Amino acid sequence: ETGVTQTPRHLVMGMTNKKSLKCEQHLGHNAMYWYKQSAKKPLELMFVYNFKEQTENNSVPSRFSPECPNSSHLFLHLHTLQPEDSALYLCASSDQEWGTGELFFGEGSRLTVL
Amino acid sequence: AQSVTQLDSHVSVSEGTPVLLRCNYSSSYSPSLFWYVQHPNKGLQLLLKYTSAATLVKGINGFEAEFKKSETSFHLTKPSAHMSDAAEYFCVVSLLQGGSEKLVFGKGTKLTVNP
Repeated sequence: ETGVTQTPRHLVMGMTNKKSLKCEQHLGHNAMYWYKQSAKKPLELMFVYNFKEQTENNSVPSRFSPECPNSSHLFLHLHTLQPEDSALYLCASSDQEWGTGELFFGEGSRLTVL
Repeated sequence: AQSVTQLDSHVSVSEGTPVLLRCNYSSSYSPSLFWYVQHPNKGLQLLLKYTSAATLVKGINGFEAEFKKSETSFHLTKPSAHMSDAAEYFCVVSLLQGGSEKLVFGKGTKLTVNP
């Protein structure tokens, strides 16, 4: 496999559920990112990891918990979400943190919170 | 403050006619600027980038953009639209914050191409 792969592509969960989103990159990159994409709003940066270390948390509520066990994998653990958390969650990677500005994106995980 | 503004949320063109997607930026220094494209149910993909070299930048799929410092603009153009160009386009500026650069995305312009 090549590129950035996100699973699941679609997820429906209740407000009391616990679920996780997974991202895997096969590009040999060192930096990984989580973004939230909501309708009619700019892409929102959530977290940045560089060499497995979190370098940015953009004031994200604690009901979102990221995990980066190695440079190729990134998870977003979800717990006690709200309906307004329904969105497309995009994972991206780059060679260096922010690098030359080229981020490689996965196709996203579409989350619906009931 | 540094920011990016996409002037149109939706642009509709006929196949074979020119495309113009407008972007203005605000920055206290000469930033790096980018255009990304997102096709339906897909992730974002880099179309082109400007990093202080030539002001006219050519990208993939026949798109190009011109950096105009005097107008603080970085509009995206294509001479002839194709049906496959229908997508959402994001203008992106690099932002210097806390000693490091990060990307700030515009709200996006949805391009519709009519047959």
